Amino acid sequence: SQKIEQNSEALNIQEGKTATLTCNYTNYSPAYLQWYRQDPGRGPVFLLLIRENEKEKRKERLKVTFDTTLKQSLFHITASQPADSATYLCALLNQGGKLIFGQGTELSVKP
Amino acid sequence: EAGVAQSPRYKIIEKRQSVAFWCNPISGHATLYWYQQILGQGPKLLIQFQNNGVVDDSQLPKDRFSAERLKGVDSTLKIQPAKLEDSAVYLCASSSQGNSGNTIYFGEGSWLTVV
Repeated sequence: SQKIEQNSEALNIQEGKTATLTCNYTNYSPAYLQWYRQDPGRGPVFLLLIRENEKEKRKERLKVTFDTTLKQSLFHITASQPADSATYLCALLNQGGKLIFGQGTELSVKP
Repeated sequence: EAGVAQSPRYKIIEKRQSVAFWCNPISGHATLYWYQQILGQGPKLLIQFQNNGVVDDSQLPKDRFSAERLKGVDSTLKIQPAKLEDSAVYLCASSSQGNSGNTIYFGEGSWLTVV
């Protein structure tokens, strides 16, 4: 069955540095992969979608890569700010057409 | 544009009691989802509606959970009887065209504690 793995340990970085979060998946290669941000006590908020035929996608300080050979997506936040502190979830469409989520990685950006 | 509305935001019940959560999706969104998110985990899909029909309910514990979307707009998720392991956030979400790559919009969630 499809599995998604994200860094289970929280990521702590200094303000101004680039944060890199990893999402690995097994088995079926999805048609697309999405990244969401979730703040404590709030619902997830969609950030970016990248399709299987796209290598890279950018939006302001965010960049997502999608390597279908490695079965991995990387999510980068450049010039990170304390306001970027949150949990980041990756999600993909599995073979059954269902959107499934990873467990999320908590990012903490220190001033 | 109004977002996905959910109520109640918080609920504490004793085990074996029942609870119902309500969701009003974004206007015009045909697809509605209910997800369960246990603390420290990612959201898990419970049920997906397309208009008023069920697309996927394979992970819905049907012996105790039920959901309906009678008029293809708002939806109710019910748990009866509740168990301790049902303590979680219940997230409602909607999208305009199902899983075709369109953005899914989540509500703020309904926090359930079963004691």
